[in-house]
Amino acid sequence: EPEVTQTPSHQVTQMGQEVILRCVPISNHLYFYWYRQILGQKVEFLVSFYNNEISEKSEIFDDQFSVERPDGSNFTLKIRSTKLEDSAMYFCASRTTVQETQYFGPGTRLLVL
Amino acid sequence: GESVGLHLPTLSVQEGDNSIINCAYSNSASDYFIWYKQESGKGPQFIIDIRSNMDKRQGQRVTVLLNKTVKHLSLQIAATQPGDSAVYFCAVRIYNQGGKLIFGQGTELSVKP
Repeated sequence: EPEVTQTPSHQVTQMGQEVILRCVPISNHLYFYWYRQILGQKVEFLVSFYNNEISEKSEIFDDQFSVERPDGSNFTLKIRSTKLEDSAMYFCASRTTVQETQYFGPGTRLLVL
Repeated sequence: GESVGLHLPTLSVQEGDNSIINCAYSNSASDYFIWYKQESGKGPQFIIDIRSNMDKRQGQRVTVLLNKTVKHLSLQIAATQPGDSAVYFCAVRIYNQGGKLIFGQGTELSVKP
């Protein structure tokens, strides 16, 4: 069964450093999402992406964040200058144009020191 | 905006019993509802969903009930098994807001053998 995959599974970085989190959505999906989950809290929406542009973003998704679909298979989330409070699990999700179900990847655990 | 809340943070049931997990939402423009299961260290896994034009939907051992009058959603798991132990999240989509999902806090289900 096709799955959303994410790399790396864990990332440790120093405050102020840039990180890029990578996702490979399910191959026939055209809507892509990033969510995050701070330890012990609920999953929070960050951004949605369709047709090579952002369709919606939350207030968390400030100018330190960006997303890109650099080729036909990858979808990336970049944090330009990480802060301690960016430490969280980051989930990528995708869906088709006809089905509403969003399928989530296993997540990247980001730790900012 | 939308807020999504769960009635109980934890639920403990005996193997073989039925489990009911409840969720409340606030925005009457919510048009799609979905339940996810999250095991430790993994991403949310789709269980079942329902659109606002329905009030009940059944899957394998799971049923979702939607009461739009009181803005209440429930997940019923029949004959609960130890493998059902996980955190369960409800998530809600608001019509015409780019497809983002708003998650509740999660209920941790423990199944005693």
